Amino acid sequence: EVQLVESGGGLVQPGGSLRLSCVVSGFTFSDHYMDWVRQAPGKGLEWVGRIRNKANSYTTEYAASVKGRFTISRDDSKNSLYLQMNSLKTEDTAVYYCSRAITLFGILTPMDVWGQGTTVTVSS
Amino acid sequence: DIQMTQSPSSLSASVGDRITITCRASQGVKNDFGWYQQKPGKAPKRLIYIASSLESGVPSRFSGSGSGTEFTLTISSLQPEDFATYYCLQHNGYPYTFGQGTKLEIK
Repeated sequence: EVQLVESGGGLVQPGGSLRLSCVVSGFTFSDHYMDWVRQAPGKGLEWVGRIRNKANSYTTEYAASVKGRFTISRDDSKNSLYLQMNSLKTEDTAVYYCSRAITLFGILTPMDVWGQGTTVTVSS
Repeated sequence: DIQMTQSPSSLSASVGDRITITCRASQGVKNDFGWYQQKPGKAPKRLIYIASSLESGVPSRFSGSGSGTEFTLTISSLQPEDFATYYCLQHNGYPYTFGQGTKLEIK
């Protein structure tokens, strides 16, 4: 069974840092690109960023709203994905989801499976 | 950035109804497009990928169509478990962008 389990959320003051983790099982993590998506309270979904696999040099992409403050990384030996969040703002308050991208019919499709999410609250 | 305009933002319907949700992209996204269902307090679930391919395990009453800039999600006969919020997603270019969501409520 494919599983993604996020952790690391919590309450942090504006300007602070937090590191989220996503541990996966049930598939070959190292083969896949991975994405982070967030959802502010009562709001819609926002893509945060992506990390590619080793074959694609672990390169990353970010939303403009987090670029320069957030860093996505991975440890394939631990089947783990990370989101390092620095210089946090109140508007970063959200549930953060990790998700998998998968190639189907020769097309890379994102977000086929999701974790349950972890809540980050940025408040003084 | 590619803007995704989803309509309607909310919809009231009855069990057994046929409903359609539309998403328009501000520029062409080919078939790099999907539909997601989200229930309160839960993670989103992908229903449709590559615009019209049904995710494994998703009931056949769900269907997707379109290409380029206009896409639709149709539910042919609403069931009680279908009342949820639906989002479209384009993944043709970065940043990936979602529609604002359609809340489907019971009439």
